[in-house]
Amino acid sequence: AQSVTQPDIHITVSEGASLELRCNYSYGATPYLFWYVQSPGQGLQLLLKYFSGDTLVQGIKGFEAEFKRSQSSFNLRKPSVHWSDAAEYFCAVVPNSGGYQKVTFGTGTKLQVIP
Amino acid sequence: GAVVSQHPSWVICKSGTSVKIECRSLDFQATTMFWYRQFPKQSLMLMATSNEGSKATYEQGVEKDKFLINHASLTLSTLTVTSAHPEDSSFYICSARDVTGGTEAFFGQGTRLTVV
Repeated sequence: AQSVTQPDIHITVSEGASLELRCNYSYGATPYLFWYVQSPGQGLQLLLKYFSGDTLVQGIKGFEAEFKRSQSSFNLRKPSVHWSDAAEYFCAVVPNSGGYQKVTFGTGTKLQVIP
Repeated sequence: GAVVSQHPSWVICKSGTSVKIECRSLDFQATTMFWYRQFPKQSLMLMATSNEGSKATYEQGVEKDKFLINHASLTLSTLTVTSAHPEDSSFYICSARDVTGGTEAFFGQGTRLTVV
């Protein structure tokens, strides 16, 4: 079955430290991949996306993600975390098969940033 | 990016009443909009896909008579929670895709529904 896994439910990092949020997917073919951020009580904001081409994609707010086909992963990274990055992060996938495409979200990773 | 406006952002209603939530694409047209529900500390669950001018497609386990969806124009979809009960209290989020193409879906800011 197709699935998206975010193994870490909750991560705590110190401000200024580096961050990596993990995302693994299970699909028949490489899907389109996304990372979204959700602040408390808010909707979702797209951080970055991967469709094809360069496997290292740059996003907003200093985030980047690397697609690794061999590992079926699309991990999100940031070199230096800011307190304002505290939020919940969702990895999402859309089948690369044309037509109607349902978005499947991972269970989310809640990021806490400590001074 | 494109803007999706969801209204209201917060609503409290009594059990047994109905609540309508609006989802508007402000600067693009969307033939397809999606409605999600998010339970506390959980991910987003797709409830239904709203298609302009036709019936919505509901996911398995979602009561279509309970959650009425109308997509009357290319910029507006509505979700009506009928005869609301406390267990319907949740965070509802819509998203929309631009008719001109692209796979990216743009999300509204969500609606926090509390049924008392």
